[in-house]
Amino acid sequence: KQEVTQIPAALSVPEGENLVLNCSFTDSAIYNLQWFRQDPGKGLTSLLLIQSSQREQTSGRLNASLDKSSGRSTLYIAASQPGDSATYLCAAPIYNTDKLIFGTGTRLQVFP
Amino acid sequence: SAVISQKPSRDICQRGTSLTIQCQVDSQVTMMFWYRQQPGQSLTLIATANQGSEATYESGFVIDKFPISRPNLTFSTLTVSNMSPEDSSIYLCSVVWQGGQPQHFGDGTRLSIL
Repeated sequence: KQEVTQIPAALSVPEGENLVLNCSFTDSAIYNLQWFRQDPGKGLTSLLLIQSSQREQTSGRLNASLDKSSGRSTLYIAASQPGDSATYLCAAPIYNTDKLIFGTGTRLQVFP
Repeated sequence: SAVISQKPSRDICQRGTSLTIQCQVDSQVTMMFWYRQQPGQSLTLIATANQGSEATYESGFVIDKFPISRPNLTFSTLTVSNMSPEDSSIYLCSVVWQGGQPQHFGDGTRLSIL
């Protein structure tokens, strides 16, 4: 059974810092992993999807890596800004489906 | 990019009543899912909405409580039946245009039960 955990649960950093969010999953037989952003009271915005054949995926200041053998993914945010303040969720699919199992999220606050 | 519209965006309902949530996509999709996000928690999958047939429910969710329809490739509804305060959550629909591709979410329906 797939289980997904995220650390830290919350993070508060000054503007400009580079930071790393961590995601761990128990079933390494995944074909992709997705990172989302959720603003308070809003739905989810897809940030990055990284395929199992890839080690990294980049979009602007965001970089996601995937290491299936260790059951880990990281989301790297460069030069953080107050607008990056949100909850970040990772999600791994149940084997051979598109059904997602979500982590508990990391609540990020970037202060000026 | 494609638009996923969810209605209503929020509602306050009385105990024992039912509410139907709609999810409309502006292009045909392969998969549609319904998730629940309880207060302060992450998302949990309720069911897969299957076009033209009965939905596939996850453990802990049943059709009598959460009936789902998907009459075509762009539309689905989720009904929350006989509501109690424990049903107060955000309900979100999501879509996948092609298997293995990114999943995208509607803005969610914030439901409060008095």
